[in-house]
Amino acid sequence: EDQVTQSPEALRLQEGESSSLNCSYTVSGLRGLFWYRQDPGKGPEFLFTLYSAGEEKEKERLKATLTKKESFLHITAPKPEDSATYLCAVQATGAGNNRKLIWGLGTSLAVNP
Amino acid sequence: DGGITQSPKYLFRKEGQNVTLSCEQNLNHDAMYWYRQDPGQGLRLIYYSQIVNDFQKGDIAEGYSVSREKKESFPLTVTSAQKNPTAFYLCASSMRDREFFGEGSWLTVV
Repeated sequence: EDQVTQSPEALRLQEGESSSLNCSYTVSGLRGLFWYRQDPGKGPEFLFTLYSAGEEKEKERLKATLTKKESFLHITAPKPEDSATYLCAVQATGAGNNRKLIWGLGTSLAVNP
Repeated sequence: DGGITQSPKYLFRKEGQNVTLSCEQNLNHDAMYWYRQDPGQGLRLIYYSQIVNDFQKGDIAEGYSVSREKKESFPLTVTSAQKNPTAFYLCASSMRDREFFGEGSWLTVV
């Protein structure tokens, strides 16, 4: 069964304390892996799409990497405004032409000043 | 600005009532989606539409209905058959490599 697991469920960091969030996936074939940020009471906001193992993408303090089994979202020197829930989703090759995504439960990140 | 507009933001439903959540996009995207988000659960797909006048059931379609008469609009009706409708509902549209989400609608049964 296709599955996406995110860890940890929650993470509390001090401002400037770098860390990584994990997204492990089990799918028959990977078409794409997506990272989103969600603030409380808001819709998710797109961050990155990764397609193949070894691929990396960066945006400000965030860097996403992909292997054949998992993806990491590295947060370098986080600031309080990085506090949010980070969601990972996978599109499997068996999804055909539609974009049915398999979503993880998210990691809730809190960055203390 | 281009984006997805959901309304209302907050909605209260009495037992036995049908309610409709609006979703409008001006991004010219063909595909649109409705998700439900509950605490402790991931986003669950209710319905999706890849083109006007066509839509498919997602993983939890029971008790919901949709229409796609216009490219810009994809309203979701929560019927009285939905036994546990209290949740946060998210509408999205997609282009090739990403989804764009609305701000969400909170539905509460009273």
